[in-house]
Amino acid sequence: DTAVSQTPKYLVTQMGNDKSIKCEQNLGHDTMYWYKQDSKKFLKIMFSYNNKELIINETVPNRFSPKSPDKAHLNLHINSLELGDSAVYFCASSRRPRSEQYFGPGTRLTVT
Amino acid sequence: DAKTTQPNSMESNEEEPVHLPCNHSTISGTDYIHWYRQLPSQGPEYVIHGLTSNVNNRMASLAIAEDRKSSTLILHRATLRDAAVYYCILRNLNAGNMLTFGGGTRLMVKP
Repeated sequence: DTAVSQTPKYLVTQMGNDKSIKCEQNLGHDTMYWYKQDSKKFLKIMFSYNNKELIINETVPNRFSPKSPDKAHLNLHINSLELGDSAVYFCASSRRPRSEQYFGPGTRLTVT
Repeated sequence: DAKTTQPNSMESNEEEPVHLPCNHSTISGTDYIHWYRQLPSQGPEYVIHGLTSNVNNRMASLAIAEDRKSSTLILHRATLRDAAVYYCILRNLNAGNMLTFGGGTRLMVKP
């Protein structure tokens, strides 16, 4: 049973396009997150979402927006994709804010 | 979150213990010490966390210095599957939800 799943696993698209990455967790957790891991392997938090409260890392461009249709899902929408958006994006969840986080397998986004 | 310092890489032999150090000299009294690891081509995985006392779980042990300015993650018998990047992270009890990952330590396990 997959605890945190993401789709798609790979996403190749052209500059200027709009794309979405889906994330679902079946752990009953209250808090979900999105992270970006760039080519140098640094992991950076993008968003934290808990009970309709969104916390945004101030360095994230507003082309990125998380959307949560329900507590089990936090999708990532990206508008006007740029070359620099190429990275691996990880979704995560935790039972409560500040408890241990469970990560998904990642989505490798390549912008050409 | 306060800063941590870890060696870039370490090597170990299979079935031997591994001690992964982490320095956090600016740790505050409400900072918890968390360890995550990331296996190749996978998402990070929670390993262990502690505040003041040493902690043990099925994956590892965490030894925390008495002054809390450093800690050591101990893998009792390294296996090839333990080859990963290990991240030491401080999380403040009163701060936000977000984890701040540093560069971590790349552990290589030799058969």
